[in-house]
Formats: sequence, structure tokens, C-alpha cells
Amino acid sequence: GDSVTQMEGPVTLSEEAFLTINCTYTATGYPSLFWYVQYPGEGLQLLLKATKADDKGSNKGFEATYRKETTSFHLEKGSVQVSDSAVYFCALSDYTGANSKLTFGKGITLSVRP
Amino acid sequence: NAGVTQTPKFQVLKTGQSMTLQCAQDMNHEYMSWYRQDPGMGLRLIHYSVGAGITDQGEVPNGYNVSRSTTEDFPLRLLSAAPSQTSVYFCASSSGPGVHGYTFGSGTRLTVV
Repeated sequence: GDSVTQMEGPVTLSEEAFLTINCTYTATGYPSLFWYVQYPGEGLQLLLKATKADDKGSNKGFEATYRKETTSFHLEKGSVQVSDSAVYFCALSDYTGANSKLTFGKGITLSVRP
Repeated sequence: NAGVTQTPKFQVLKTGQSMTLQCAQDMNHEYMSWYRQDPGMGLRLIHYSVGAGITDQGEVPNGYNVSRSTTEDFPLRLLSAAPSQTSVYFCASSSGPGVHGYTFGSGTRLTVV
């Protein structure tokens, strides 16, 4: 079945540091890939997405490129801010058949210190 | 535009009690899902629906029922609450998950004592 693997956390960075959060996936079809962010006490918000190989999703300074050859969708940001402190989830949705589900990774907590 | 609205935000139940978590969306989305979030487990799918009158089980359906009588509403019923159902529950909706992903509600924090 489909699965998403995220790097172990938590991650603590200083403000303005470079961020990489690794995400790899296993899917039987041709998935779309997503990054969601969850701020404390809130629901999940879609951060960015990519629907086909080599697509780059971007939003709020975050980027991720859909790499089919390495089955990866790593999240990056060049300079993190304290306001980026949150939990980040990688997810996939498989196009095959009438699949309407998202499969999530376990999430990783990012803390950015001033 | 309210998006996805979940009620209540917090709930404490005694073991064996039943209750319904409400979820409503005003975006005319066909797809709706319920997830539970537990520490270290990410989000796990409980039930989902691809339209009014159509529901199916997800990864962890035991102890929960759903129905979808209208496009807008997708309530989740706990039949006989157990401490293992202590969790944060999220409802989500989408017009096309493969392209748009899901829009999430703000969650219901449920404690079963």
C-alpha cells in the first residue's frame, strides 16, 4: 500500500538557518504530493503541492520538488523565522481508480529560536 | 466563507457513552474525510465519503460510524467510547484530493475517561 516516510524529529534551528525536511514515499500509481503545516492548537493547512514528476511546489519561501527517480519530496526553506515553528506533514494522494484519500507521514516538529 | 466547521472543539466523555462529532462544509465539496491525530502516529484515516450517500472505511474504522445524507454534512459517531479513542479528530473536505488536497477543520479534542 501507499506510505510516506518522514525524517525523525524534532528539529531545532536558529532564526535565518537553512531548513531541509526529508520525505520519501511508496505508491503503486502516480501520486500527487503535498506538504501540510500545523501551527499550535490549529488544524492542518496546505503549504504546497506538486502533481507530477519534476514539478516544484512553493509557498511562503518554502519549496519542494517532486523527484520520481528517488521517490522524494523534500521540503526546504532558505531562511527560517520564529513564526515557522510548527509541525510539518508530508502526504500523498494516489490517482489510481477513485482513490480519494490522503496518506500522511508521522509529522515533524520544527522549533525556531530567535 | 466558513470552510470546514467542526463542533464541539473540546469534549470529555465517560467510557461507554456515545456522541456525535459534527462536521459541515460550505464549499460544495464532494469528498470528505475524518482523521484522528495521535502523538507519534501522524494522521490516520477513519472514514471517508466521495459524495452524498457514499461512505467507506479508512485505516482505523472500528468503533466509529458515519453517514453522508447531504453534501454539506459528515458527522462521526462514537458508538461506545473507550479510552483508546482519546485523540484529536479532524474533518476535511475537497473538490478533488488528487489535485487540491484537503481543507481541514480546526479539530475536536476528545478525552475519554
